[in-house]
Formats: sequence, structure tokens, C-alpha cells
Amino acid sequence: NAGVTQTPKFQVLKTGQSMTLQCAQDMNHEYMSWYRQDPGMGLRLIHYSVGAGITDQGEVPNGYNVSRSTTEDFPLRLLSAAPSQTSVYFCASSPRPQETQYFGPGTRLLVL
Amino acid sequence: AQSVTQLDSQVPVFEEAPVELRCNYSSSVSVYLFWYVQYPNQGLQLLLKYLSGSTLVKGINGFEAEFNKSQTSFHLRKPSVHISDTAEYFCAVLNRGGYQKVTFGIGTKLQVIP
Repeated sequence: NAGVTQTPKFQVLKTGQSMTLQCAQDMNHEYMSWYRQDPGMGLRLIHYSVGAGITDQGEVPNGYNVSRSTTEDFPLRLLSAAPSQTSVYFCASSPRPQETQYFGPGTRLLVL
Repeated sequence: AQSVTQLDSQVPVFEEAPVELRCNYSSSVSVYLFWYVQYPNQGLQLLLKYLSGSTLVKGINGFEAEFNKSQTSFHLRKPSVHISDTAEYFCAVLNRGGYQKVTFGIGTKLQVIP
């Protein structure tokens, strides 16, 4: 089992560019989520999904889109990058939200 | 809506001393509670969780936490810390039923001093 994988590990974008952060899990988990981690602010939920075809917004969804066409994949799209989106992004998965969430290694994003 | 307050942003403690990291939550319904640990430059991993039953929960690496419903707290404790416990610790809460959103606190950095 690879667990939760995220690509890329690092990314530098210019303001206005778009990109997709990839997240995949091989544990057949229904629940997947995206968080951003910023100094002094902990982890904040961006979007989450309770199964293929079902997504919902978290605390800080503005500027991000998600889709869940398969159980395994949960990509996060930045529509038009802004410096405020400079952060470390973590994807996580679990069988259900009340069970242990398994986190990926993170993607460090810098928006210039 | 649910929320989590971690009262200490940094906690320095000498090696082999006990430590308590504080967590309080707010919710209008019953909750599930979690503690996660993040070692430098890594993702998070679960230390322990409270779902139901005994209010004293034991986790990995000698940590334990006690759920106190009347005080809406879920403090994390370890009787004797090691250098390897230096990390950031996050408390998290999930409401039973309703929206399936896990809310994390801002984290507490534990610095173990040799």
C-alpha cells in the first residue's frame, strides 16, 4: 500500500496561473479532504468528499475547486493563484470522518 | 458550528518531565475528539481518539487524553517526555451527525529540552 500520495511536492506559481494538486489513495477510503496549513492558523479544511461524486465546502473554499470522479482520486484545482494561497496543502483520507485520517506528505506551494 | 481552542501555542518542557497540552472544544451536539502529531516536515498522524465509552483514552508513544464533557476539554498528557516527542500537536473535533467536517485547532509546539 502506498497510502496517500500527493503530487507535486513543491510548486512555484505566478499570480493568476492555475494548477491542479493531485491526491490519490489506495485504501478504498470513502472520505477524503483537503487542508491548508499556515503558521499560527493550524489546519483549515478547504473541501471534503464523502464518496465518489459527492463533495462539499470546508472553512476556506474560495479560490479552489474539487471533483471526485473515482474513490481513489481527489484533485484540488486552483483557478487563479493568488499570493494568499501560498501554503502547505495536505490531503487526507479515512473510511469515515470519525475514523483515523491518513495524511499525505503535503505539497508546498509558493505563489509570487 | 464546532470549534477547537488550543490554549498554548508553545510548551517547553525538560526531558523526562510530565507534560499536559490543553484542548477545549465548543459544539451544540455530541462530538468525536482527536489528537494528531506532526513531526518536522511530515504529514500528520493520529495519536489517539475518543469516539465513545471510557473517557480516558490511551494512544501511541505513551500519550493519553481524558474527555471531560462538563468542561468541554480533551487534554493530552504524557508522564515522561523524550526528545523524540518534540513536534507539533493538533486537537481536532467532529460533530456526531450533520456536516462531516473535521475542525482542527491551531496546534501546540512541544519543545523537549535535554
